[in-house]
Amino acid sequence: AQSVAQPEDQVNVAEGNPLTVKCTYSVSGNPYLFWYVQYPNRGLQFLLKYITGDNLVKGSYGFEAEFNKSQTSFHLKKPSALVSDSALYFCAVRDIRDDKIIFGKGTRLHILP
Amino acid sequence: DAGVIQSPRHEVTEMGQEVTLRCKPISGHDYLFWYRQTMMRGLELLIYFNNNVPIDDSGMPEDRFSAKMPNASFSTLKIQPSEPRDSAVYFCASSLDRFRTDTQYFGPGTRLTVL
Repeated sequence: AQSVAQPEDQVNVAEGNPLTVKCTYSVSGNPYLFWYVQYPNRGLQFLLKYITGDNLVKGSYGFEAEFNKSQTSFHLKKPSALVSDSALYFCAVRDIRDDKIIFGKGTRLHILP
Repeated sequence: DAGVIQSPRHEVTEMGQEVTLRCKPISGHDYLFWYRQTMMRGLELLIYFNNNVPIDDSGMPEDRFSAKMPNASFSTLKIQPSEPRDSAVYFCASSLDRFRTDTQYFGPGTRLTVL
């Protein structure tokens, strides 16, 4: 069965430093991979997705993610963190054989001023 | 477009009462999803519809939960009778045909508290 794992419940990063939020996946077919962000008292917002092509995907708010097929990973990155990046981040995977998108449990990102 | 609209934003009810959550998807979106979010279980997919037809309801926790989509612009999630363990934030999301894009657009959620 397809699944996605976010190994860190929380990540703390100093403002201005690079950040990485980790995600690994497991699917039988070709994966569609996504990152979403949730700010307090809001619904999830789409950040970026990987369908095919270039392994480095650029998204909203300066975020990017790198697809690594051999490591089955899709880590979210940003070169310089902002305090406003503090939020809950969800990785998600979709197997093209069915229509379900499976979300990870989320990683809470704290950017320290 | 106003985005996905959910009502009410907050609902407080007593155990045993019927609760109805409502969702209006983005116009033109063929897919509609209902999710539940709790601290313990994270974000769980309850059910999703394609062109108003329920496709997969395997995430619905039990028979007390039911969902309908009578037309392309409206869906409901009903809990009858409600229990304290149903307390959670319920999100509705919609997306275009999956062959064009898979991005889901989420509503602001309904925070349900069952006393």
